[in-house]
Amino acid sequence: DAGVIQSPRHEVTEMGQEVTLRCKPISGHNSLFWYRQTMMRGLELLIYFNNNVPIDDSGMPEDRFSAKMPNASFSTLKIQPSEPRDSAVYFCASSLRLPYEQYFGPGTRLTVT
Amino acid sequence: TQLLEQSPQFLSIQEGENLTVYCNSSSVFSSLQWYRQEPGEGPVLLVTVVTGGEVKKLKRLTFQFGDARKDSSLHITAAQPGDTGLYLCAGRNNAGNMLTFGGGTRLMVKP
Repeated sequence: DAGVIQSPRHEVTEMGQEVTLRCKPISGHNSLFWYRQTMMRGLELLIYFNNNVPIDDSGMPEDRFSAKMPNASFSTLKIQPSEPRDSAVYFCASSLRLPYEQYFGPGTRLTVT
Repeated sequence: TQLLEQSPQFLSIQEGENLTVYCNSSSVFSSLQWYRQEPGEGPVLLVTVVTGGEVKKLKRLTFQFGDARKDSSLHITAAQPGDTGLYLCAGRNNAGNMLTFGGGTRLMVKP
């Protein structure tokens, strides 16, 4: 079975540009999570969805960040405009339903110059 | 905010040695999970402990949940180079819907 799929795997962009990260959860999973990982702050939860509905976005750092889940098989995390401090690895994870175990994708390494 | 502190942050040992990694909090968690993350990949779940005092074994890895469900430890016996990676603990809140991750222990096992 395919795991969580994320694209792109690597993204390099200039400050001020819009960045869109994509995630396809495991088929049949009802919950989806977006995390950000940096050396300084570790792994932080940004937002999570249950049945395509955003439940908690308290981890989203600023209004520059937004996330959508238009259907059960696709989610996006958008940063507009991007800043160098947004550089990190962004992970998407899905679970069958709350509070079952989460399965992580391979991550998107974002570099904002 | 529930915080998890992991120690040590970095550990470099020789193949065959034993080691213990700690995960501590002042908060109570409904359950606690351990993940291993390798470079360029996402964290992979190793184990979930639920009951205070619970001990689980996964081959050479032994996981223990503290009696008060505030802390946990991971012990590796006879470490191998394949054990190299970032070990993360994560506590689940009482509502059961969110995980809080510790800062991780970066382990390197030298052959």
